[in-house]
Formats: sequence, structure tokens, C-alpha cells
Amino acid sequence: DTEVTQTPKHLVMGMTNKKSLKCEQHMGHRAMYWYKQKAKKPPELMFVYSYEKLSINESVPSRFSPECPNSSLLNLHLHALQPEDSALYLCASSQVIGPSTDTQYFGPGTRLTVL
Amino acid sequence: GQNIDQPTEMTATEGAIVQINCTYQTSGFNGLFWYQQHAGEAPTFLSYNVLDGLEEKGRFSSFLSRSKGYSYLLLKELQMKDSASYLCAVRRTGGFKTIFGAGTRLFVKA
Repeated sequence: DTEVTQTPKHLVMGMTNKKSLKCEQHMGHRAMYWYKQKAKKPPELMFVYSYEKLSINESVPSRFSPECPNSSLLNLHLHALQPEDSALYLCASSQVIGPSTDTQYFGPGTRLTVL
Repeated sequence: GQNIDQPTEMTATEGAIVQINCTYQTSGFNGLFWYQQHAGEAPTFLSYNVLDGLEEKGRFSSFLSRSKGYSYLLLKELQMKDSASYLCAVRRTGGFKTIFGAGTRLFVKA
């Protein structure tokens, strides 16, 4: 099973709303990632969790708040977003041990539209 | 810093062979990935190279030369479903950071 699931698939929210994106994997991976991808652009790394601890924060604005409640779940809490935050948000996971096992498996993404 | 270069677009014919090149400059290189991404979908893993040489996996092969900062993805017996973006991504040492190139959009025509 190499599946990473994400919910919701689509999300439309206003600039004053609070919403959360969810990601789940059951592959025993201990590293989980959030990426943002705009149309026709490559994924841009936002956050990395390793063993449920935040390892990398790529200077992401505080209106994006990640959370890793356990080794299988990763959330991204959204508050007071801007229209330019509209994008495809991708979750990925990978094993931690050894470079050859660092392949990231991506979820299908959540397409976010901020009005 | 780091820089990853790929051609923006390529067109090839069904049944043919196409080679997509990727050149990179980075400090602390620790592996190179190729991903396929269809429009509106998530990237899917194709290959991983950390040592020099060719890795073959069915119709897809990937080559790496670390001294030249160069990789290519070779697709054989092209099919219409191979029309997609192909992302070259470089993993750096000292963490989990993988940097993606802008991607090469491949169009396969009949």
C-alpha cells in the first residue's frame, strides 16, 4: 500500500474563514511534507515533519499552521488566507532511514480557492 | 544555492524514444528523483539515482553523472498516456529538503 490520502479534494473559503486540510498515510513513514503548487509551476516545499516534530519550515506565513498529531496524520490549519494562497496543496510522506528510502509518495492534493 | 534546469516543453511521436535532460547545481547533493505529473494530479515517483550510471525500469530509464551535474530520463515506446510533466528533483544532504525543477511538459502525438 503506497497510498497517501488527502481531504478534502476541493476547498473554497473566504479570507476570514478557518479551515483545515488533512493528510493520512499508513505506510509506516516517519517523514511527512506539505507542498504548495501553483499552476504550471513545480511543488514548493512548505513544511517537513520528522518523527512528529517540525524539521523544516520554509519561512511560511503564520496564516498556515501545520500539526502532526501522530505518525500517520498531518494537518494544515488555514486562517485569514489571501487570494494568492489559492493553489494545489500536496501532502507527501517518506521513510526516514537511508537515502534510498527517501522517495516521497504524494497524495492527490487539495485544490484550494480563496475568495 | 541551487539551480535545476530542464527544457520547458518537448514533443514526440507515439512509439518513439524521448530523452528529457536535467542539469543541476547544488551544494550537498544526495540523490536525484524523477516524477511524472499529469495535469491537475499529484506527482508520482518514477526513479531515483544516487550513484553514477543508468537505472532501468521497464520503459523508463534514468541516468546520472554527478561530476557533470547531469541526469536524463529516457522514455521508450512512447504511449499517448505518457503526455505529462516530468519533474527532476534534487535531494540535498543534511535534511529532508528536495528541490524540484520547473518540469518538462511532454506532448506525445499520434
